[in-house]
Amino acid sequence: GDSVTQMEGPVTLSEEAFLTINCTYTATGYPSLFWYVQYPGEGLQLLLKATKADDKGSNKGFEATYRKETTSFHLEKGSVQVSDSAVYFCALSMSSGYALNFGKGTSLLVTP
Amino acid sequence: GAVVSQHPSWVICKSGTSVKIECRSLDFQATTMFWYRQFPKQSLMLMATSNEGSKATYEQGVEKDKFLINHASLTLSTLTVTSAHPEDSSFYICSARVGQGVEAFFGQGTRLTVV
Repeated sequence: GDSVTQMEGPVTLSEEAFLTINCTYTATGYPSLFWYVQYPGEGLQLLLKATKADDKGSNKGFEATYRKETTSFHLEKGSVQVSDSAVYFCALSMSSGYALNFGKGTSLLVTP
Repeated sequence: GAVVSQHPSWVICKSGTSVKIECRSLDFQATTMFWYRQFPKQSLMLMATSNEGSKATYEQGVEKDKFLINHASLTLSTLTVTSAHPEDSSFYICSARVGQGVEAFFGQGTRLTVV
């Protein structure tokens, strides 16, 4: 079945460090890919998305590129801030009628 | 983006009682809503897909008689945890899509504690 695998956390970085969170997927077709962020005690917020191969999603300094050849959607940010501390979920969806399949989440802690 | 509102944000109930959680799409109509459960430091587990005007579709292993889902209108889906027990304590989150869009919008979640 369709699934998402993302790197285990927690990830601890110093402020202004470069961030990469790896995400790979398995799907029978051509899914849409997403990164969601969850702050403590809150629901999920969409961070960025890509709906087809080679698309790059970007938001708030975060970027991810849909790579069909490597079935990946790695999340990157050039300079993290303390406020970026949260749990990040990679997810895929085959179509609008289906629920999202989530990875296990990666906890990020950014220290001053 | 579209707004999904979930209520209550937290609830404490006694073992054996029932609790209802509401999920509303505030500025759009949602024919389909999804209910997830999240255990501490874990990912979201899909519980069921809620379809307006019809029975919900439950994932394998989810007790439909325990987790009652009603989607009576295009803007409201409810999840009722019946005869709650401490093992039902968890974070419950709903989501919905706008039309045929692929992006899902999430409620803020409900922290249920059964004592």
